[in-house]
Amino acid sequence: EAAVTQSPRNKVAVTGGKVTLSCNQTNNHNNMYWYRQDTGHGLRLIHYSYGAGSTEKGDIPDGYKASRPSQENFSLILELATPSQTSVYFCASGDPGGDSYEQYFGPGTRLTVL
Amino acid sequence: GDSVTQTEGLVTLTEGLPVMLNCTYQTIYSNPFLFWYVQHLNESPRLLLKSFTDNKRTEHQGFHATLHKSSSSFHLQKSSAQLSDSALYYCALSPGTQVVGQLTFGRGTRLQVYA
Repeated sequence: EAAVTQSPRNKVAVTGGKVTLSCNQTNNHNNMYWYRQDTGHGLRLIHYSYGAGSTEKGDIPDGYKASRPSQENFSLILELATPSQTSVYFCASGDPGGDSYEQYFGPGTRLTVL
Repeated sequence: GDSVTQTEGLVTLTEGLPVMLNCTYQTIYSNPFLFWYVQHLNESPRLLLKSFTDNKRTEHQGFHATLHKSSSSFHLQKSSAQLSDSALYYCALSPGTQVVGQLTFGRGTRLQVYA
C-alpha cells in the first residue's frame, strides 16, 4: 500500500508569515496533489504535479505555491499566510493508468493562521 | 469545468436501514471515471469503490454503486447500515484518460448511523 506522510501534523502560524507544508511518498508515484478540506466545501485541489520539477495549478491556487524537487517530495508554500487559509491540508499521490486511478492520501496537516 | 453534486450534507439513519447517498456530476468528457471515497473521524480519505463502465454495478465492503451516464449519476447504496458506516463520504470524478489523474470532489455527505 502507498505510504504518504506529511509534516508538520499541526501548525499554528501568524498572519503574514511564511508556512511550508511538506509531503513525502515512498511508492514512486508520478502524480502528487495538495487539497484543502473545509466543512461545506469538501476537498478542493490547490496544486498538483506530474513529476519532479512540474507543478500545475488546481482549482484554488491563489495564495499558494508548490514545489516538487524530487519524485518523493511535494511541498505547499504559503508565502503570506492569512486567516482564510486556516484549514486541514491533505497531500495525495497516485499513478493513474490501467484500472487504477486511485489517490492515496496522507494523514493531513491542521493549519491555524492567527 | 467539471462538477460533482452531493445533495445531502447529512444523512442520519438507524442501524439496519438501507443507505443511499446521492451523487450526480457534470463533465464535458464522454468517458468519466467515478469514485466514492470514505473518511472516518480523524482519518484521511480512502477509496471505497470506483467505476469506469456505464451501467455496471461495482461493489466493495457491502456498498455498491452503478454509473449511469444517461442520468450522470453514481449513487452509493448499502442494504443495511452499520454503526461503523458512520463517516464522511465523497463522490469524485475524473475526466478519464483525456486528463490524467485529476479528481473533482463533491462537498461530501456525512452519514451518521444510530443504534
